[in-house]
Amino acid sequence: DAKTTQPPSMDCAEGRAANLPCNHSTISGNEYVYWYRQIHSQGPQYIIHGLKNNETNEMASLIITEDRKSSTLILPHATLRDTAVYYCIVRVGGSQGNLIFGKGTKLSVKP
Amino acid sequence: GAVVSQHPSWVICKSGTSVKIECRSLDFQATTMFWYRQFPKQSLMLMATSNEGSKATYEQGVEKDKFLINHASLTLSTLTVTSAHPEDSSFYICSARPWDRQISVAFFGQGTRLTVV
Repeated sequence: DAKTTQPPSMDCAEGRAANLPCNHSTISGNEYVYWYRQIHSQGPQYIIHGLKNNETNEMASLIITEDRKSSTLILPHATLRDTAVYYCIVRVGGSQGNLIFGKGTKLSVKP
Repeated sequence: GAVVSQHPSWVICKSGTSVKIECRSLDFQATTMFWYRQFPKQSLMLMATSNEGSKATYEQGVEKDKFLINHASLTLSTLTVTSAHPEDSSFYICSARPWDRQISVAFFGQGTRLTVV
């Protein structure tokens, strides 16, 4: 699986958009980009995934660069409840799903 | 999204005893479930892959005789920590992927906090 690189921490003001970057320069053509988040003392929560097109759902938007070497998760209006560790994971889409977690980005949303 | 439920949410046990943790997929079937362990301020570490009707596969360094996994049905996997010791205290998390979906989106349980005293 391709390795991902994320900043260890980020701050965001409540109500503002949170933009979380992820580099995955060694991604291969059949690998998807998944985003999960883990709120303190809970299991990870699925947010969104994509292959090459930008994706949007009720939680977030995922912007993938044209060369697919990086992506950005966007929380359009961050709230205090979005404070969590966000994980960017690259994985072959049809695989079993044993996800390998890196260290992620600790997002702190501040009032 | 699909729901995965773990039980118990937390457990305290005495050193030397065994503890069983259940992982259930509530609204989908899963031929494969996964068990992770997370120590404080660290990321999740995959322990083993639980396969319905067959033996689990363990990651390197994980003792299969200590962490017994049973996946008896398409909706239930159990992890038993045998002869628990204080160093086994950790946050244990399971995940499952619906078997009938082409793209593997894994859903996670809420985790089980194990404290061995």
